Amino acid sequence: QKEVEQNSGPLSVPEGAIASLNCTYSDRGSQSFFWYRQYSGKSPELIMSIYSNGDKEDGRFTAQLNKASQYVSLLIRDSQPSDSATYLCASHPGNYGGSQGNLIFGKGTKLSVKP
Amino acid sequence: DAGITQSPRHKVTETGTPVTLRCHQTENHRYMYWYRQDPGHGLRLIHYSYGVKDTDKGEVSDGYSVSRSKTEDFLLTLESATSSQTSVYFCAISEGTEEIDTQYFGPGTRLTVL
Repeated sequence: QKEVEQNSGPLSVPEGAIASLNCTYSDRGSQSFFWYRQYSGKSPELIMSIYSNGDKEDGRFTAQLNKASQYVSLLIRDSQPSDSATYLCASHPGNYGGSQGNLIFGKGTKLSVKP
Repeated sequence: DAGITQSPRHKVTETGTPVTLRCHQTENHRYMYWYRQDPGHGLRLIHYSYGVKDTDKGEVSDGYSVSRSKTEDFLLTLESATSSQTSVYFCAISEGTEEIDTQYFGPGTRLTVL
């Protein structure tokens, strides 16, 4: 069974620190990966996507992918209290246009940034 | 927000009654999805659609049916609601490129079955 595993947390970091969120996946054929942020009572919001090995940076966020280790991570630099949320990791079997493959979600990691 | 709306946003119903949730999108996306989200389980796919009248089952489809008669609307029906279907339901669309296919979510419907 295809699975995505995340530490449920809570992960607590002080304001201004780097928050590191991790995710592993079981399907070696997975091609693309996503990080969503979900505030309590709200819907998931896309933060980052990545499909190539290595790092991808967008503002304070960096996604890292290591397909050999089946490992994805999200780094949040200069963490702010507004970053406090649950972060969902998801994998997709293909990196082609279209959705014949469907997302597999982890259960999420709750992040708390303390002022 | 990918132009997705869901209705109703909140609903309380009784066991055994039929319930229909609606997902509406304004940007002509071909693919649409219904997920449920429960504590301890994360997001799980119920059904998805890849075009008008084209649908398929997801991981947790038992007790649910869907219909898509227009590109913009994807309906999720609980024929006879049970307490185990109390959940938050999210609709999603996907946007694809040659490199990656990304899903975006609607605001959600909180359903309580008493």
